[in-house]
Amino acid sequence: EAAVTQSPRNKVAVTGGKVTLSCNQTNNHNNMYWYRQDTGHGLRLIHYSYGAGSTEKGDIPDGYKASRPSQENFSLILELATPSQTSVYFCASGGLGAQDTQYFGPGTRLLVL
Amino acid sequence: GQGVEQPDNLMSVEGTFARVNCTYSTSGFNGLSWYQQREGHAPVFLSYVVLDGLKDSGHFSTFLSRSNGYSYLLLTELQIKDSASYLCAVDSNYQLIWGSGTKLIIKP
Repeated sequence: EAAVTQSPRNKVAVTGGKVTLSCNQTNNHNNMYWYRQDTGHGLRLIHYSYGAGSTEKGDIPDGYKASRPSQENFSLILELATPSQTSVYFCASGGLGAQDTQYFGPGTRLLVL
Repeated sequence: GQGVEQPDNLMSVEGTFARVNCTYSTSGFNGLSWYQQREGHAPVFLSYVVLDGLKDSGHFSTFLSRSNGYSYLLLTELQIKDSASYLCAVDSNYQLIWGSGTKLIIKP
């Protein structure tokens, strides 16, 4: 079954440390996305990719980098983590617009102390 | 600016119905999707609408009025397992703008 997986599922980091969140999809989708979800906010798009080698800035890219080394893998990198980046991060693959379903990974809970 | 608004909470009773509202103001409109998100889990796609009117899909139905920037998700014959957050996402020029979701609480 097609799936999106994320690792780690939970992460505790220190302020100023580097954090890498990984995402793998077996849907063979070109497009992949990184979102964060905080109470009181909708899903907010951080970075997205149209395919291997491509990364694009979303709505809130500051403090984050992304890497898409292959069709299957898409990483989110926090070079210098801050407490404001404490959140739940979701990776998704799928269509660009509403008519094409986005398939989400299970999420990563990140706590930055 | 662009925005998608949803009420934070909604309460209903098992066996009845619930209507989850979504209002939006966006520069473009290519359709609207509804997702269900259970506590501690990822969002799961439910429905997509782009034409005005009611789209009946059984347990979940969706309504859209483009002129009013309004949609709702209607859940009928509610079951306790329908307790979840329901997210509305508007496609504005092939960029999804997400609402913050409505938490539906169902009482026995």
